[in-house]
Amino acid sequence: NAGVTQTPKFQVLKTGQSMTLQCAQDMNHEYMSWYRQDPGMGLRLIHYSVGAGITDQGEVPNGYNVSRSTTEDFPLRLLSAAPSQTSVYFCASSYAIYPNTGELFFGEGSRLTVL
Amino acid sequence: RKEVEQDPGPFNVPEGATVAFNCTYSNSASQSFFWYRQDCRKEPKLLMSVYSSGNEDGRFTAQLNRASQYISLLIRDSKLSDSATYLCVVNMPSSASKIIFGSGTRLSIRP
Repeated sequence: NAGVTQTPKFQVLKTGQSMTLQCAQDMNHEYMSWYRQDPGMGLRLIHYSVGAGITDQGEVPNGYNVSRSTTEDFPLRLLSAAPSQTSVYFCASSYAIYPNTGELFFGEGSRLTVL
Repeated sequence: RKEVEQDPGPFNVPEGATVAFNCTYSNSASQSFFWYRQDCRKEPKLLMSVYSSGNEDGRFTAQLNRASQYISLLIRDSKLSDSATYLCVVNMPSSASKIIFGSGTRLSIRP
């Protein structure tokens, strides 16, 4: 029962470095999304996708890129990391899309520190 | 104005107490509402969906007030294991679905 798998779980970067957070789900969900969680801020939506080849911006998309070439994978790219991107990142997927919203299934999170 | 707002708490209540949280949302066209629970350093997990007629799941009751644009969560006979952060979740209708979380309400149950 893999569900939603995120890698890596922990990462330390230097300012200006690039990296990709990987997210894969094996539930054949059309909807996938990335959130970041900072203390006192709750989860904020970065980008989301309603199917392969379709992505859209969330609340805080600046500094992040995404692509969705397959139903299973939804990587999040940081092109030039900044200390403000230090956060916990969660990937989530759901079987339903608008106008219905189904349960979101989350990965275990990726803790990113940018020095 | 934030799209989904919650009282951050923390709420600190004794075991056995009843506690209620409210959450307000800004988009009157939102159609789906949920409460999620998040334990410390863990991922959020669905607690319950919120239906127009209100719904109950054991000690938990969720209600929706569309006129005032808020949802509520009531926990009766609280247990130590209910200590967590409770997140209000609302979809933002557009050409595709944006699912927005409130900042969460921290609940701590004391013996």
